[in-house]
Amino acid sequence: EVQLLESGGFLVQPGGSLRLSCAASGFTFKNYAMSWVRQAPGKGLEWVSTVNGGGVTTYYADSVQGRFTISRDNSKKMVYLQMNSLRAEDTAIYYCAKRFGGYGMDVWGQGTTVTVS
Amino acid sequence: AIRVTQSPSSVSASVGDRVTITCRTSQGITNDLGWYQQKPGEAPKLLIYAASTLQSGVPSRFSGSGSGTEFTLTISSLQPEDFATYYCLQDYINPLTFGGGTKVEI
Repeated sequence: EVQLLESGGFLVQPGGSLRLSCAASGFTFKNYAMSWVRQAPGKGLEWVSTVNGGGVTTYYADSVQGRFTISRDNSKKMVYLQMNSLRAEDTAIYYCAKRFGGYGMDVWGQGTTVTVS
Repeated sequence: AIRVTQSPSSVSASVGDRVTITCRTSQGITNDLGWYQQKPGEAPKLLIYAASTLQSGVPSRFSGSGSGTEFTLTISSLQPEDFATYYCLQDYINPLTFGGGTKVEI
């Protein structure tokens, strides 16, 4: 079964740091780009970041550029999101998602909650 | 960044109704648009990719159309399990951008 499982969400003070993790299983992990998408309480979806299959190419939303870093470890089938200089507006559920070629995201984790307060 | 304008923001409908949701993008994106369904407390689910291709396992009452800057999601006959929020996502260029969402209510 294809599965993504996020962890690492926590309550953190403004200016603090946090690292989210996402464990993948059930597919050839290294062949797929991976993304993080977040959803603030009561709000819509916001794409945060994407890393390609090799871990070399990364993309970020303007709102997190310079503060967040996405990375992956293909040997462990893990993707990470290092979040620094956290702000109240980063409070959200963070979803890990598998990119479906160039066609969006076909597998999503259950999400992990980050609260900055 | 490409702006994605989704309408309506909410729609009230009944079981059996036909529902149409539209997304317009600020520039042409060929057919690089997908549709997602999200139910309360759950992760989003991919319904349609490449504007009109039904994801495996998704009921055929869902359909998508459009290209360029205007796209449509249609639910041909609304079922009780379809009451949810729907989002479009442009996948043409980074930064990826979602529409604001459409809540389909009873």
